[in-house]
Formats: sequence, C-alpha cells, structure tokens
Amino acid sequence: ETGVTQTPRHLVMGMTNKKSLKCEQHLGHNAMYWYKQSAKKPLELMFVYNFKEQTENNSVPSRFSPECPNSSHLFLHLHTLQPEDSALYLCASSPQLLGGNEQFFGPGTRLTVL
Amino acid sequence: EDKVVQSPLSLVVHEGDTVTLNCSYEVTNFRSLLWYKQEKKAPTFLFMLTSSGIEKKSGRLSSILDKKELFSILNITATQTGDSAVYLCAVVGNTNAGKSTFGDGTTLTVKP
Repeated sequence: ETGVTQTPRHLVMGMTNKKSLKCEQHLGHNAMYWYKQSAKKPLELMFVYNFKEQTENNSVPSRFSPECPNSSHLFLHLHTLQPEDSALYLCASSPQLLGGNEQFFGPGTRLTVL
Repeated sequence: EDKVVQSPLSLVVHEGDTVTLNCSYEVTNFRSLLWYKQEKKAPTFLFMLTSSGIEKKSGRLSSILDKKELFSILNITATQTGDSAVYLCAVVGNTNAGKSTFGDGTTLTVKP
C-alpha cells in the first residue's frame, strides 16, 4: 500500500464523453503529479502541483484539464479525447517539490478511448 | 523527427565525485526539456527546463538549458550511492504537444 489511491482503476470512454480521474493521498505530501504511460514507452510527466498551485504543464493538450482543490486531492478532467490518449495514467506525490525527492505512485487508471 | 542523444551512456564514479550528464536534442518548435531519475521503479521527475541560461537547482542536483546550442546538462555534486540510477532526458516540441521524445539514458553507478 503506497498511500496514494486512484479511481477508477479502469475506464473505457468514447471520444465525446467527459470523465474525471481522481487521485488521493493522505501522506501529508505537498507536491502531486500526473504522469502518462503509453505502451512500451517511458513515463511522461503531464502536470505538477505544489501546495495546490500548478507549477508545471508539460505542453499537455487542453482536452486534459487538471484540478487540485487541496494538497490531498488531484483530479484529471477528460473531454473529447482521442484514441491515442489510451494509456495508463499515474498519479504521484512527494513530500516537497524538489528534484530527486522520492515520489510515491498510485496504482494508475487504465484508460481506453474508443 | 525529434531526437535526443544522451552522453555518456554509462558512468562509474566514487562517492563524493561530481558528475555532469549531457543531453543534446533536435526538436521542432521546442517547448520543454525534462530530466528524470529512474531506479528499479517508475521514473522520478527531476527538472523541467523551458528557458535558456536559467539554472534549476535542488540540493546536490542542478540543471541548465542552452537553447542556442541545443543541449542541457545535469550536474550532481558530492555523489552518493543512492544517486545510482538511469538518468533520462526528454524533450517536447510543438508538433507533438504533450508527447515526449526520450533519450536512451545515462546509467550512473556510484561506488562507496
């Protein structure tokens, strides 16, 4: 148990649907991250939040919209996705936003866009 | 096609040494360059660089980007055995917004 939970674990959606991924951590961490892992590719950073404020957006298309209402919760709102967006979406948290700080990962949401 | 070349491919040093890892790139309409540290599990985000000449620093790690010469370096001072990992460099360009092109990584081994 890593202390980072994600829901749902699996999601199938059509290109016109709107859905949200949820991430929750009660580790007292201040920084939270969204990553995307496509098949046979390394993890790709999407967004970074520090104390609820977005500090990094790795040129992510606007059809992905993050929300961080507090330091314990992070959402990824999905709208009009493309089939190539199908991937494993991982949430992570770390105590501080420092390079090299260990990050704790959730189990991920396996997303399939039809 | 976007391209990222990292050097050296592997490096063995002793604790206390300082290392410099290199990343050169070719990308259409550069957006960002990222450094990751990968141990046995998932990669850990280190730095995201978008502006030339501005050093980002965290503890013993620092990184800087040169957009004119198309490269970045990652410095690690006073290395520790816990720094042993694969260090990955990735770039994002406008033509593939949100998609990263990764280098092959530099495997760093720090001996006691």
